[in-house]
Amino acid sequence: QKEVEQDPGPLSVPEGAIVSLNCTYSNSAFQYFMWYRQYSRKGPELLMYTYSSGNKEDGRFTAQVDKSSKYISLFIRDSQPSDSATYLCATQGGSEKLVFGKGTKLTVNP
Amino acid sequence: GAVVSQHPSWVICKSGTSVKIECRSLDFQATTMFWYRQFPKQSLMLMATSNEGSKATYEQGVEKDKFLINHASLTLSTLTVTSAHPEDSSFYICSARDTSGQGYIIQYFGPGTRLLVL
Repeated sequence: QKEVEQDPGPLSVPEGAIVSLNCTYSNSAFQYFMWYRQYSRKGPELLMYTYSSGNKEDGRFTAQVDKSSKYISLFIRDSQPSDSATYLCATQGGSEKLVFGKGTKLTVNP
Repeated sequence: GAVVSQHPSWVICKSGTSVKIECRSLDFQATTMFWYRQFPKQSLMLMATSNEGSKATYEQGVEKDKFLINHASLTLSTLTVTSAHPEDSSFYICSARDTSGQGYIIQYFGPGTRLLVL
């Protein structure tokens, strides 16, 4: 089993839709959970990070971590065409290294 | 804050030449930087961890003599692809940890360098 599993999609939604992106992880030692957004031919941009369980909200974005089920989610409200990108979940435990999901490609259609 | 730059943004070179890529943390000090490689439609693959003032730690399967890493200061790490070949063509991305703040474990990424070896 891979350490972080993420459905690669692609995911296509109409403008204004609520988007749900999800990852599962296998190592209960993971404490930090991050979501990165990567536009084509660009480096990943940090969207949000959370420590341990719970929710974190930033504008139209909400990150959610459920450590009991080893499930992390990113919700995007009122999605915009500019949100079209690949979204990468990442986790980190005791080492310095990040463990990435494969990324989900999202397209928001106007 | 937490801005990481890379230079150059893209480079085309002939087979057999060496290419140097710079990664800089612009507004924070980074004792640790990371180098990744990304192929089209694939996720990031960690190549090596670069620590200021010491030798880099390479991931399994990454040739350290091929990909030379130098982290001479708290704001600069360089990756040199030596004797580049067409199979080295890829998107190289660096990241840096800002150890000063609350989110000290978070990595901030540069914009990437696209390398094409002819």
